Amino acid sequence: ETGVTQTPRHLVMGMTNKKSLKCEQHLGHNAMYWYKQSAKKPLELMFVYNFKEQTENNSVPSRFSPECPNSSHLFLHLHTLQPEDSALYLCASSPTSGGLYSYEQYFGPGTRLTVT
Amino acid sequence: EDKVVQSPLSLVVHEGDTVTLNCSYEVTNFRSLLWYKQEKKAPTFLFMLTSSGIEKKSGRLSSILDKKELSSILNITATQTGDSAIYLCAVEGGSEKLVFGKGTKLTVNP
Repeated sequence: ETGVTQTPRHLVMGMTNKKSLKCEQHLGHNAMYWYKQSAKKPLELMFVYNFKEQTENNSVPSRFSPECPNSSHLFLHLHTLQPEDSALYLCASSPTSGGLYSYEQYFGPGTRLTVT
Repeated sequence: EDKVVQSPLSLVVHEGDTVTLNCSYEVTNFRSLLWYKQEKKAPTFLFMLTSSGIEKKSGRLSSILDKKELSSILNITATQTGDSAIYLCAVEGGSEKLVFGKGTKLTVNP
């Protein structure tokens, strides 16, 4: 596989469930990102990891918990979500975060999350 | 397979020039086309174009959607050095998937 992959592609969960979104990049990048794309607010940055270290948390509620075990994998653990959390969750990667090479972000296809 | 292609991949201009960036797409059941400006971190939203809103303008930036040609252009007039960025085009289709183009890297020199 090449590029950035995300699983699952679609997820329906109840408010009391716990689930995880997975992102994997095969580009040799060192920075990975989680974004939320909802119908009324295009693309909001949630978290940034650079060399496995979290460098940005954009005031995201604690019911979203990221995990970056290595530079190729990024998870988003979900628990006790609300219906307003229903959105498309996009993962992206870039060579690094910050500095000259932070421009190139490669996006995954996204996970469509529906919270019932 | 859904596809978004942007051109040119990079562009270098002088302050005051006008630039036109292109985005063409092939998606099933087109829903919307979005333009973003990407600088250091997260892309910032510029425009959303849909079947009911095919032309948008904000200051020196404007965008038009051509559903017949399956394409969109982003125009920037009187460019400034602060316009230097990567401009991303993304299209949402019927699969509820957002497909991004590779971007156009714009450099505006003083």
